Amino acid sequence: GIQVEQSPPDLILQEGANSTLRCNFSDSVNNLQWFHQNPWGQLINLFYIPSGTKQNGRLSATTVATERYSLLYISSSQTTDSGVYFCAVITDSWGKFQFGAGTQVVVTP
Amino acid sequence: DVKVTQSSRYLVKRTGEKVFLECVQDMDHENMFWYRQDPGLGLRLIYFSYDVKMKEKGDIPEGYSVSREKKERFSLILESASTNQTSMYLCASSSPFEGTPEAFFGQGTRLTVV
Repeated sequence: GIQVEQSPPDLILQEGANSTLRCNFSDSVNNLQWFHQNPWGQLINLFYIPSGTKQNGRLSATTVATERYSLLYISSSQTTDSGVYFCAVITDSWGKFQFGAGTQVVVTP
Repeated sequence: DVKVTQSSRYLVKRTGEKVFLECVQDMDHENMFWYRQDPGLGLRLIYFSYDVKMKEKGDIPEGYSVSREKKERFSLILESASTNQTSMYLCASSSPFEGTPEAFFGQGTRLTVV
């Protein structure tokens, strides 16, 4: 099956810093999502981005499908950005998702 | 807005009990999923349903069963709860036939089996 690898596994940031999270996948995909898991455990949709670039406030994402990676950018980080960030790809025609292991982000004041 | 609702945020059950975790979505999605999340192991798919009464095993179905009698509701059943089923359970729904087949998650259920 498709392998999804995220890096780095952990990230500690000072408030106000910028950062880049990476998601590599082992095969061609048509769909990719980024999620943020908040401290209460819920996964919040950030981006649906099979290709190209999208921006939402201080967050933006880029997927280069031909090179099999996606990047999530966090600018001017805030303590509320803390949590785990997951990317997920659809692996078959039925719509099943494969998740990466996640990047744990801690933003310190 | 899409809403996926799980019946409980926190649940404590005794070993051997039959446990039902309920999930309801309001977007007429065909697909529904149950995942469990454990530290260091990420999200693992337990079961998947692509239509009413249709189900497929995921990566870790042992000890679980599911029921989907109506399109909007997907239930996860622990036939005889064991302590190694203490975990965070996450339900999701999606529609693979729409233009943007995003998955949406419920708030999660933290189950403790004692």
